[in-house]
Amino acid sequence: QKEVEQDPGPLSVPEGAIVSLNCTYSNSAFQYFMWYRQYSRKGPELLMYTYSSGNKEDGRFTAQVDKSSKYISLFIRDSQPSDSATYLCAMRRGSEKLVFGKGTKLTVNP
Amino acid sequence: DVKVTQSSRYLVKRTGEKVFLECVQDMDHENMFWYRQDPGLGLRLIYFSYDVKMKEKGDIPEGYSVSREKKERFSLILESASTNQTSMYLCASIRNSEQYFGPGTRLTVT
Repeated sequence: QKEVEQDPGPLSVPEGAIVSLNCTYSNSAFQYFMWYRQYSRKGPELLMYTYSSGNKEDGRFTAQVDKSSKYISLFIRDSQPSDSATYLCAMRRGSEKLVFGKGTKLTVNP
Repeated sequence: DVKVTQSSRYLVKRTGEKVFLECVQDMDHENMFWYRQDPGLGLRLIYFSYDVKMKEKGDIPEGYSVSREKKERFSLILESASTNQTSMYLCASIRNSEQYFGPGTRLTVT
């Protein structure tokens, strides 16, 4: 079983839709959870960062961590064409190296 | 504002050449990382460094070496480039448990 699983998509939605992106993981010791957005031919950009369980909201973006289910989510409300990118989840325990999902490619159609 | 820069955005080299990829961060971070990113394989850690002159192997160090003579600079070296090292190379550093990436270098080895 892989440490982090992420559906690669692709996911295609109309503008204004609510988008749900998810990752599951197997290591219950993970404490830090991140979401990155990566535009084509660019480096990943840190979007959301959460420590332990709970929700975090930033504008149209909400990150959720459910440690009991080993499941994290990123919700995008009122999605825009500029949200079209690949979204990577990442997580780690303490100061250990980050473990990444393989990314989900999202397209928001005008 | 967090700043991680990489010396080149695009690079084309010949098989057997020695290649240097440079990464600089201006935030006095101790931890720095080199990844490569390939379609279907995601991000894979090559090497990382916790401090000046310290280095640790990541998941795929074969064919690569690194140098960290100054805190702000972390170099990735391909001693003898091969076509299977054609990839997107990403440098990253950590501040307050948050990992930030550079813009990436797309290397083509012909």
